[in-house]
Amino acid sequence: GQQLNQSPQSMFIQEGEDVSMNCTSSSIFNTWLWYKQDPGEGPVLLIALYKAGELTSNGRLTAQFGITRKDSFLNISASIPSDVGIYFCAGQRRGSNYKLTFGKGTLLTVNP
Amino acid sequence: GAVVSQHPSWVICKSGTSVKIECRSLDFQATTMFWYRQFPKQSLMLMATSNEGSKATYEQGVEKDKFLINHASLTLSTLTVTSAHPEDSSFYICSARDAGSFDTEAFFGQGTRLTVV
Repeated sequence: GQQLNQSPQSMFIQEGEDVSMNCTSSSIFNTWLWYKQDPGEGPVLLIALYKAGELTSNGRLTAQFGITRKDSFLNISASIPSDVGIYFCAGQRRGSNYKLTFGKGTLLTVNP
Repeated sequence: GAVVSQHPSWVICKSGTSVKIECRSLDFQATTMFWYRQFPKQSLMLMATSNEGSKATYEQGVEKDKFLINHASLTLSTLTVTSAHPEDSSFYICSARDAGSFDTEAFFGQGTRLTVV
């Protein structure tokens, strides 16, 4: 099935640094979602975006829904060791019966 | 947020046997649940959409007779892997959407690690 283009594939950063990741698509989505997955667990919703141009924060996390509806980014500020995990973007189209299309994930490693 | 519970968290079974995985929405009703499969270091791949009271909708390439889905109530969907083989070993994850919410995001269970020996 289709997947979103998510980058970078992995990141190694020092504690305290900011990090940014993004997803792009060749087609439009009506909703963008960002999830975090810890090893052996299911994804946990971080931020949901419903409007083009929307900028939403959740603590140290900020995500934006691109104006073109074909992209989204997630920023994490002042990273801490517990930010380690795999971050997935997911897009949803109207009329798709709420089906999600996932990116391939960004593996984040934070060095203390 | 809404809670989705999956059971069991892990299971080991012999080749040729069947395994049932349960997905429950604990504090909301879900007319639609989704079943995903995830291989190590890969993304989630949608297997099927489970609709309460009707047949599941399978994604292209997913065998209906091998992965039986039943969504008999608004809070429970089950995935049965029939005649399991080692290549069916994977991490299976369900998600559910709150039917009473205008929001469209789905909440995920904790996943089930299936190992077929």
